[in-house]
Amino acid sequence: DSGVTQTPKHLITATGQRVTLRCSPRSGDLSVYWYQQSLDQGLQFLIHYYNGEERAKGNILERFSAQQFPDLHSELNLSSLELGDSALYFCASSVRASENIQYFGAGTRLSVL
Amino acid sequence: GDSVTQMEGPVTLSEEAFLTINCTYTATGYPSLFWYVQYPGEGLQLLLKATKADDKGSNKGFEATYRKETTSFHLEKGSVQVSDSAVYFCALNAGNMLTFGGGTRLMVKP
Repeated sequence: DSGVTQTPKHLITATGQRVTLRCSPRSGDLSVYWYQQSLDQGLQFLIHYYNGEERAKGNILERFSAQQFPDLHSELNLSSLELGDSALYFCASSVRASENIQYFGAGTRLSVL
Repeated sequence: GDSVTQMEGPVTLSEEAFLTINCTYTATGYPSLFWYVQYPGEGLQLLLKATKADDKGSNKGFEATYRKETTSFHLEKGSVQVSDSAVYFCALNAGNMLTFGGGTRLMVKP
């Protein structure tokens, strides 16, 4: 158990809908990262938050947004969902922004029908 | 930009065989290098890491050496077990994020 908690584990929804994925980092970790794992794109970095502030953006679509709350949990919001958004979404956490080791949650599997 | 290339799978081995999974990288600066493992239905687990040239990371019988001259970080294990069957990802971190290779599926048969 990495200590990173993601909910829900599975999410099934329809095209055009909006969903929210939640991540609780390891106790004491200030950094949260979001990654997308899909069959065609592999594992791709989406966004990084440190202590409530956005620090880096990767290949994140404009339809997607994230935030980190004062209690350090994070949410990834996906809107106007398309079939191609179906993927496994991982959250990872680390102690500091410059910490190299990231610990991953079990992921949320999103299926868009 | 940064990139990681690893051998495509699946790699199928018999129990107690020797394992090598090749990984090469392209990065500006001096990244840290990682191997993560993903067991079926689970998230990624850190297997081992190396933070500078010539460092050797090791864990659970797996080893990888940070080779700056060949920009490589090949994963090796002397004797694989059925329980090692999983997908292995090579990754680098040169800043805020991890850049992953495409993953290599390992299947170990009894």
